[in-house]
Amino acid sequence: GENVEQHPSTLSVQEGDSAVIKCTYSDSASNYFPWYKQELGKRPQLIIDIRSNVGEKKDQRIAVTLNKTAKHFSLHITETQPEDSAVYFCAAGAAGNKLTFGGGTRVLVKP
Amino acid sequence: NAGVTQTPKFRVLKTGQSMTLLCAQDMNHEYMYWYRQDPGMGLRLIHYSVGEGTTAKGEVPDGYNVSRLKKQNFLLGLESAAPSQTSVYFCASSFLLAGPYEQYFGPGTRLTVT
Repeated sequence: GENVEQHPSTLSVQEGDSAVIKCTYSDSASNYFPWYKQELGKRPQLIIDIRSNVGEKKDQRIAVTLNKTAKHFSLHITETQPEDSAVYFCAAGAAGNKLTFGGGTRVLVKP
Repeated sequence: NAGVTQTPKFRVLKTGQSMTLLCAQDMNHEYMYWYRQDPGMGLRLIHYSVGEGTTAKGEVPDGYNVSRLKKQNFLLGLESAAPSQTSVYFCASSFLLAGPYEQYFGPGTRLTVT
């Protein structure tokens, strides 16, 4: 089955700096790569996703890049703000809409 | 439009007891899923359903059963709870489209087995 590795497990950045989280996947059949943000005690919520026919997608301060050849994808958050502090999960999905999640990255933005 | 709801929000069980977690969605989604999330870990798929009357095993199905008698509801059962099943359980749902699509999550059920 699919295996998704996510790094780093924790990330501390100064407010205004950028944060980058990287994920690798194993199944070349995966074609959907969402990123979820989970605040403490809350449900995961989709913040951005990318499909395998696209190399990069941007939404305001958030961007995701995908390298299908190398089987890795990354989340970039620019101009970080305290409200960006949360746990971020990457996932990989294919036919049947099953998602395999990475282990999560705890991001702390210091004011 | 309530989205995805879960009941109960919290539950404490003794080892060997049974319980059922209920997930309901009002978005007319075909797909529904049950995940568990352990401290400091990602979400792991327990069981899922691609439509009313159908269920399939996910990554960690042992010790759990599911049923999807109605399109809007997906039930997760623990027949004989064990301390290893202490976790936060999330239900999710999504549309059936050409290819994978966003999964919408419920608020979670925090289960403690003593």
